[in-house]
Amino acid sequence: DSGVTQTPKHLITATGQRVTLRCSPRSGDLSVYWYQQSLDQGLQFLIQYYNGEERAKGNILERFSAQQFPDLHSELNLSSLELGDSALYFCASSLSGRGGDTEAFFGQGTRLTVV
Amino acid sequence: ELKVEQNPLFLSMQEGKNYTIYCNYSTTSDRLYWYRQDPGKSLESLFVLLSNGAVKQEGRLMASLDTKARLSTLHITAAVHDLSATYFCAGDTGTASKLTFGTGTRLQVTL
Repeated sequence: DSGVTQTPKHLITATGQRVTLRCSPRSGDLSVYWYQQSLDQGLQFLIQYYNGEERAKGNILERFSAQQFPDLHSELNLSSLELGDSALYFCASSLSGRGGDTEAFFGQGTRLTVV
Repeated sequence: ELKVEQNPLFLSMQEGKNYTIYCNYSTTSDRLYWYRQDPGKSLESLFVLLSNGAVKQEGRLMASLDTKARLSTLHITAAVHDLSATYFCAGDTGTASKLTFGTGTRLQVTL
């Protein structure tokens, strides 16, 4: 158990809908990352937050947004869902967001299926 | 932009054999990571390689880093079935610590 908690584990929803994925980082970690894993795109970085502020952005669609709250948990909001958004979404956390030798620990993921 | 390539994509090997997975990256990466993923599961951190010449070993797995060649290797010694999984290497580019992953190597160890 990495200490990173993601909910829900599975989500099935229809096209056009909106969902929210939740992540609680390891105790003491200030940085949260979101990744998407799909068969065609592999593992892709979406976005990073550090202590409540957006730190880095990757290949995140405009339909997707995220935030990190004062208690450091994070939410990833996916809207106007399309079939191609079906994927495993991982959250990871690390102590800092500035590199160094801290490593990221991954949650169990949320499997999103859009039908 | 950092790009990470792994090969092979798929590796079927017999128990007891040795093999190496290769990870090439395109530009300077501050750190090189190796992760293991079982089907439908999370990513488990195996190694973090910080500097040129770094070598780390855990059980039957040994990882090394050559920053001049922009190459990391994951060597498997005397494979056992429990090592069957997908292995990813990933690099990061410093200030943000976001990871760029390779395509993964699916390892299947057969009896």
